[in-house]
Amino acid sequence: GESVGLHLPTLSVQEGDNSIINCAYSNSASDYFIWYKQESGKGPQFIIDIRSNMDKRQGQRVTVLLNKTVKHLSLQIAATQPGDSAVYFCAEIPGTYKYIFGTGTRLKVLA
Amino acid sequence: GAVVSQHPSRVICKSGTSVKIECRSLDFQATTMFWYRQFPKQSLMLMATSNEGSKATYEQGVEKDKFLINHASLTLSTLTVTSAHPEDSSFYICSAPTASDYEQYFGPGTRLTVT
Repeated sequence: GESVGLHLPTLSVQEGDNSIINCAYSNSASDYFIWYKQESGKGPQFIIDIRSNMDKRQGQRVTVLLNKTVKHLSLQIAATQPGDSAVYFCAEIPGTYKYIFGTGTRLKVLA
Repeated sequence: GAVVSQHPSRVICKSGTSVKIECRSLDFQATTMFWYRQFPKQSLMLMATSNEGSKATYEQGVEKDKFLINHASLTLSTLTVTSAHPEDSSFYICSAPTASDYEQYFGPGTRLTVT
């Protein structure tokens, strides 16, 4: 299930199930979005990106959906694995290079 | 792919001292680099934009005299936390843009602990 901690919401998922991580962005002018994975004590790692002229993009085991009407972004991870446990951030880019990161969601994969 | 490194990865310093953190682009040149700060269980907050050969641009609320940024070459930006205090303890991450319009490469981060 999903819970909201002091700062970082946590999503707990059984291994093998699909995960859906959500993000609300703020700037309707943002035309590029990226999902990052961050493991403890490490920098963000690029997962997948999407431009504002698209509403869906698929990668290997991951899919990003963009709903510009409600300014919502989601990351779907298929067949979640223990190695997927991390914190996931969305980033919106309203202008060249300047990133605005979302609050992040901690994904916990249960064996 | 392109790599951004940071040094040191971890540093502990005493209150009142200054600490320098380096950010290097290893196989590409970066006229612009970015410095972020991340508190535990929180998101990355942009502190400043480092510009090679000119002054850094600081985000609102970030003290430029406290966080000195020097971008002396196309592959190196440094962040110096001056007169550090325990509240400066945080995870500092740098990034550098790629050749594309939007994507950045992130460094592995530097954990600063001020005692």
